[in-house]
Amino acid sequence: NAGVTQTPKFRILKIGQSMTLQCAQDMNHNYMYWYRQDPGMGLKLIYYSVGAGITDKGEVPNGYNVSRSTTEDFPLRLELAAPSQTSVYFCASSFRWEGQYFGPGTRLTVT
Amino acid sequence: AQKVTQAQTEISVVEKEDVTLDCVYETRDTTYYLFWYKQPPSGELVFLIRRNSFDEQNEISGRYSWNFQKSTSSFNFTITASQVVDSAVYFCALTMEYGNKLVFGAGTILRVKS
Repeated sequence: NAGVTQTPKFRILKIGQSMTLQCAQDMNHNYMYWYRQDPGMGLKLIYYSVGAGITDKGEVPNGYNVSRSTTEDFPLRLELAAPSQTSVYFCASSFRWEGQYFGPGTRLTVT
Repeated sequence: AQKVTQAQTEISVVEKEDVTLDCVYETRDTTYYLFWYKQPPSGELVFLIRRNSFDEQNEISGRYSWNFQKSTSSFNFTITASQVVDSAVYFCALTMEYGNKLVFGAGTILRVKS
């Protein structure tokens, strides 16, 4: 199993550009999550999904959108990138609440 | 609301010292789960342990041990005979029985010097 994979690993965006962070898992987990981690801080939940076709906002959803058309994939869309979105983004998945498996992260810089 | 507090921002120890990382949580739920994750300098998040609210037994795994005390709402993590490879950021986290979200503490930076 590859676990949770994320692409790209690094990205630099200009202010106002858009991009999609990809996340996939091959563990047949129902639950998937997107977090951001700002320097020296813990993780904050952006969006989560409890299954295909179902998504919900987390703590910091503004400026982001998600979709979940399949169990495996959970892309995160940034529209009109802003410097405040410079962060490391982690995708995670879990069966239920037993423990989340995290991807390697995407380091995003918006300049 | 749920909250996790890791009051120790940074701890420095010398190799072979024992070190305890504190975690205090807040929740009104009777069923919940507590976790510890390790984030080494490479950046990935590594799951270390899960403990549910009905299991107050301490857990030991090699040099790692965890002390869960509901009376003080604490879930502390001890590393015995620390090693340089233990240097990382350690996060404590909490979720509810049917919760879909992990609430993370701010993390404790552990530096182990040789």
